[in-house]
Amino acid sequence: GEDVEQSLFLSVREGDSSVINCTYTDSSSTYLYWYKQEPGAGLQLLTYIFSNMDMKQDQRLTVLLNKKDKHLSLRIADTQTGDSAIYFCAEKQGNTPLVFGKGTRLSVIA
Amino acid sequence: EAGVAQSPRYKIIEKRQSVAFWCNPISGHATLYWYQQILGQGPKLLIQFQNNGVVDDSQLPKDRFSAERLKGVDSTLKIQPAKLEDSAVYLCASSLDGPTLGRDTQYFGPGTRLTVL
Repeated sequence: GEDVEQSLFLSVREGDSSVINCTYTDSSSTYLYWYKQEPGAGLQLLTYIFSNMDMKQDQRLTVLLNKKDKHLSLRIADTQTGDSAIYFCAEKQGNTPLVFGKGTRLSVIA
Repeated sequence: EAGVAQSPRYKIIEKRQSVAFWCNPISGHATLYWYQQILGQGPKLLIQFQNNGVVDDSQLPKDRFSAERLKGVDSTLKIQPAKLEDSAVYLCASSLDGPTLGRDTQYFGPGTRLTVL
């Protein structure tokens, strides 16, 4: 079955880089997503990557995909206090529903 | 472009009562999703609509949950009767289309936080 695992907590200092990691089990995953959830809010799509890509960069965000190890990471450069939130990794294969991890709570220390 | 709208934002009810949530997707989005997010968990899909038809309701507890999207736009999710374990955030999402490449990216509403006492 499908499963997505993330570490639950990450704490970084303002200005440092944050790296949030995710592993998944379904090798036929087609799309992999990163969502951000701030307190009391819905999920905000940050970025996504297709399974035929190794890397995607979008401003301060860099997504790395290692298909062999089924490992996905999100790097946030120059992390700011406004980046404090829960980050969800999600994977999708064909017509199947999105499968989310439990989320990584990022705390940014000023 | 307006996002996904949901109401109410918060609801507190007692167990065995009924409750309904409303969702208005992004204009033009054919696919609508309802998710349940229990505290400390990722969202779990309850039901997916394509226009006004149900695509996937395999994880919907049909003995107490129901959902409809009669005109293929707005949708309501109902719980009757509610149980304590239904306390969660109910998220609605929409996407332009189904699984066609690049057209099924889901955009989420702010959610309705339900507390069952």
